[in-house]
Amino acid sequence: KAGVTQTPRYLIKTRGQQVTLSCSPISGHRSVSWYQQTPGQGLQFLFEYFSETQRNKGNFPGRFSGRQFSNSRSEMNVSTLELGDSALYLCASSLPGAIQETQYFGPGTRLLVL
Amino acid sequence: GENVEQHPSTLSVQEGDSAVIKCTYSDSASNYFPWYKQELGKRPQLIIDIRSNVGEKKDQRIAVTLNKTAKHFSLHITETQPEDSAVYFCAASYETSGSRLTFGEGTQLTVNP
Repeated sequence: KAGVTQTPRYLIKTRGQQVTLSCSPISGHRSVSWYQQTPGQGLQFLFEYFSETQRNKGNFPGRFSGRQFSNSRSEMNVSTLELGDSALYLCASSLPGAIQETQYFGPGTRLLVL
Repeated sequence: GENVEQHPSTLSVQEGDSAVIKCTYSDSASNYFPWYKQELGKRPQLIIDIRSNVGEKKDQRIAVTLNKTAKHFSLHITETQPEDSAVYFCAASYETSGSRLTFGEGTQLTVNP
């Protein structure tokens, strides 16, 4: 099976712009979670989508949003970018209801905000 | 919310020695505890996980132990090899789906040949 894929892999934006990142889960996986990884804050949970619905949400401002499509692909959007949004954004997919509901991570999108 | 503390932040061992990384969690409702290995520039990869109904789990050179009473869990790597060098993260989740992971700060493990 192909693993979790994310596009784009690298992105440079300027403050105030918005950005959309994409995640394609492992085939058959219906849950997609997003995480932000920074040197200072580590790995932090953003949100989880399951069956096109946001099921869980972390402690991030409303500038961070996401959605999931009927094929389980997910996108996250960050509006009004700030310098502090520079990070590696990781998505992870899992198969809820499986014996082992392991989260499998994608390679990430590295976002640099100038 | 859940808080996970991980120690040590850096660990250097000689090849063949054992390495132990410890984590504590705050939310007694947490029931799923995975460990991830992240090499430089790569994605986190699950190396082992344990659920709260199990006290210990082993997979070849890697083992994880869980003490629910004390709310801590540990990763044990035996017979370390240079390719074990990476950052290791512990995590905890109280979601039945295993999502909404709260991660520790990470441990940089260096195995010296």
